[in-house]
Amino acid sequence: DGGITQSPKYLFRKEGQNVTLSCEQNLNHDAMYWYRQDPGQGLRLIYYSQIVNDFQKGDIAEGYSVSREKKESFPLTVTSAQKNPTAFYLCASNSPGQLNTEAFFGQGTRLTVV
Amino acid sequence: AQSVTQLDSHVSVSEGTPVLLRCNYSSSYSPSLFWYVQHPNKGLQLLLKYTSAATLVKGINGFEAEFKKSETSFHLTKPSAHMSDAAEYFCVVRSYGGSQGNLIFGKGTKLSVKP
Repeated sequence: DGGITQSPKYLFRKEGQNVTLSCEQNLNHDAMYWYRQDPGQGLRLIYYSQIVNDFQKGDIAEGYSVSREKKESFPLTVTSAQKNPTAFYLCASNSPGQLNTEAFFGQGTRLTVV
Repeated sequence: AQSVTQLDSHVSVSEGTPVLLRCNYSSSYSPSLFWYVQHPNKGLQLLLKYTSAATLVKGINGFEAEFKKSETSFHLTKPSAHMSDAAEYFCVVRSYGGSQGNLIFGKGTKLSVKP
């Protein structure tokens, strides 16, 4: 079955440590997205990519980095520069040129600083 | 510019009573509109979508939404709430261009269902 997979489901980070969240899709979607979700704040866009080897900053990109070396994969690194990384992170994908099609979401990764 | 406004951050209903979650949009183009549901610590699941065909759209779990161009609204309804409907609901607009990669999210409406 086609879908989008995030791993791990739970992740713990020590102060000053970089961590990488995985997002893989087998839907043949060109576009992929990373969102951060905090209680009462909806979804905020961190980065998105509409094509391999290209990506754009979203509203809250500071302290995060991404790469898009393969169409299927869009990993997110939370760096030590991100001062408050504890949140729920969601990855999504869609076909950017087909506006009548929906985005698909992964099941999320909950990151906690310890 | 495109935008989405969910008019209620929290809605509380009793089991068996109707549900109404309100969404207004702004778009320069003919939009595609979506409603998603999110249960705690889960991803977003598509409930239904409007893509310029029928203005009354039926989705999963008994939900439906009506696209009203004159009111720029896409409200989500269900005739009878079930306890399992308790979740957060997001209204989403897709349109060309913009800085959000074509996905514009509302802030979400948390639905509580009382027994």
